[in-house]
Amino acid sequence: DVKVTQSSRYLVKRTGEKVFLECVQDMDHENMFWYRQDPGLGLRLIYFSYDVKMKEKGDIPEGYSVSREKKERFSLILESASTNQTSMYLCASRGGGPGTDTQYFGPGTRLTVL
Amino acid sequence: GEDVEQSLFLSVREGDSSVINCTYTDSSSTYLYWYKQEPGAGLQLLTYIFSNMDMKQDQRLTVLLNKKDKHLSLRIADTQTGDSAIYFCAEMRGATNKLIFGTGTLLAVQP
Repeated sequence: DVKVTQSSRYLVKRTGEKVFLECVQDMDHENMFWYRQDPGLGLRLIYFSYDVKMKEKGDIPEGYSVSREKKERFSLILESASTNQTSMYLCASRGGGPGTDTQYFGPGTRLTVL
Repeated sequence: GEDVEQSLFLSVREGDSSVINCTYTDSSSTYLYWYKQEPGAGLQLLTYIFSNMDMKQDQRLTVLLNKKDKHLSLRIADTQTGDSAIYFCAEMRGATNKLIFGTGTLLAVQP
């Protein structure tokens, strides 16, 4: 059974703190993604990675960085959290190749920045 | 524009059909997807359609694609209370195969 796990379901942090969101997949997928989900805006891509140590900016990378040291793990980092980063963060992974390959999503981390 | 658009809310009665609509923008999109998100959960792929098709049926789900109008719809027959969720359409764009998601439609099924 496919599995994408995220380290926390709920997280509360203070403005200015450094925040790490961890995502692990057990499907040996090359591609991993971080999205944020906000009401009325759908999902927006923050960063993605198509291989270990490779990363590409998505549509809204400002204020975020990522790390992919191992194939199964993709971390999203908020260097200095701000209140406008309060959101639901969703991680996904996908096998190689276009088309019918499914993006499998984790359960999400709801981050609140006070 | 860049947006994939959906209406925000749909309410139906149990047993009726639901039709969720989506308009997308990139005529070169190769695949279009429907995802379901139940409360407190991640997204689950429901179905997809390749851009050279105009219809796909999978049990209670029917996907219609009008490529000329860039319009995608998801019909759920005999809607059940367990179908209550947010439904996202998404288009696959470009060489990077990025998915662009719509804003999501909240489907509420009344008993």
